[in-house]
Amino acid sequence: EADIYQTPRYLVIGTGKKITLECSQTMGHDKMYWYQQDPGMELHLIHYSYGVNSTEKGDLSSESTVSRIRTEHFPLTLESARPSHTSQYLCASSRMEGYSPLHFGNGTRLTVT
Amino acid sequence: GQQVMQIPQYQHVQEGEDFTTYCNSSTTLSNIQWYKQRPGGHPVFLIQLVKSGEVKKQKRLTFQFGEAKKNSSLHITATQTTDVGTYFCAGPRNTDKLIFGTGTRLQVFP
Repeated sequence: EADIYQTPRYLVIGTGKKITLECSQTMGHDKMYWYQQDPGMELHLIHYSYGVNSTEKGDLSSESTVSRIRTEHFPLTLESARPSHTSQYLCASSRMEGYSPLHFGNGTRLTVT
Repeated sequence: GQQVMQIPQYQHVQEGEDFTTYCNSSTTLSNIQWYKQRPGGHPVFLIQLVKSGEVKKQKRLTFQFGEAKKNSSLHITATQTTDVGTYFCAGPRNTDKLIFGTGTRLQVFP
């Protein structure tokens, strides 16, 4: 039933590499989000977007960047991965109206060695 | 800044026992949402509460929004092993950024 897709599901990469985490949704949602979550811990908002060409930083400072060129696509990029970036990254989307619930992707588990 | 805390952090129960998690916000919330995250999975939306004092039920789950709209609770009656997971409350900050609570991890022993 997944309408929001994240790839890759798992990624192990060396320090200094550039990576892009992909997120796509087919629901036509205007709002999209990136959350960072360490195992068993709370979710921290790192980026969000209200629509095409809209990107905002969340509450948790992150060295990652995002872009929103198409409504359905909201990729997250790390220019130079570090071990401190090891975490799970969850992408979500929601309708624009009011306080619509979030639909989450399956997440990308990133390990930087 | 706005904080959303949940207690307890962990809860282990025997199957059939009841379970309650409490969510407390440092500021008044316009609404509150509840999510469930199974081990290894992603958060899944359960319900949204909007009105002061609102109570909603979903089978064995009862959700309540406090009168002051600063706290909420989730109560599960007669837990089952399928209830295992982490339960998060979430409230909007500013316009509509959703801030998640610290979560309560529920373990159910058969």
